[in-house]
Amino acid sequence: EPEVTQTPSHQVTQMGQEVILRCVPISNHLYFYWYRQILGQKVEFLVSFYNNEISEKSEIFDDQFSVERPDGSNFTLKIRSTKLEDSAMYFCASRATSGSGGEQYFGPGTRLTVT
Amino acid sequence: AQKVTQAQTEISVVEKEDVTLDCVYETRDTTYYLFWYKQPPSGELVFLIRRNSFDEQNEISGRYSWNFQKSTSSFNFTITASQVVDSAVYFCALRLISGAGSYQLTFGKGTKLSVIP
Repeated sequence: EPEVTQTPSHQVTQMGQEVILRCVPISNHLYFYWYRQILGQKVEFLVSFYNNEISEKSEIFDDQFSVERPDGSNFTLKIRSTKLEDSAMYFCASRATSGSGGEQYFGPGTRLTVT
Repeated sequence: AQKVTQAQTEISVVEKEDVTLDCVYETRDTTYYLFWYKQPPSGELVFLIRRNSFDEQNEISGRYSWNFQKSTSSFNFTITASQVVDSAVYFCALRLISGAGSYQLTFGKGTKLSVIP
């Protein structure tokens, strides 16, 4: 069964450093998402991406964040200058259709620790 | 804007007891999906169920059952004869069906279930 994959599973970085979290969505999917979960808290929407551009973003997704689909398979989340409060689990998800239907499939997550 | 409330932060039950996890949602839209996800200690999100707002039929899957009541905007989840492997954080979520948005999920804060042997 196809699945969303994410690398790395755990990333440790120092405050102020740039990090790139990588995701490989399911191959025929069209919509891509990043969510964040600070430890012990709820899962929060960051950004959605469709047709090679951001379709929607939350207020969390400020200028230090960016997303990219550099090739036909990867979908990345870049945090330009990490802060301690960026420590969280980051989930990638993808969805097949461009309409309102279709299920979001989540990856296993990347745990980001900023020291 | 949508909102999902899971009032129970933590629940502990003894193995084989039944347990119900509550979920109340708010949305002005009339068409939406409701979801339950399980997050075991390993951290991944495991999809459990999706319900369409048009379909208020309750659903049963093995030891799991879901009670959807549009009149009270609730979508509760019951585990019958709980097992230690059910210990996890459970999230309720909502997303819209209509409109021009990207259909992102709105999650509740989760309920941590501990099943004691």
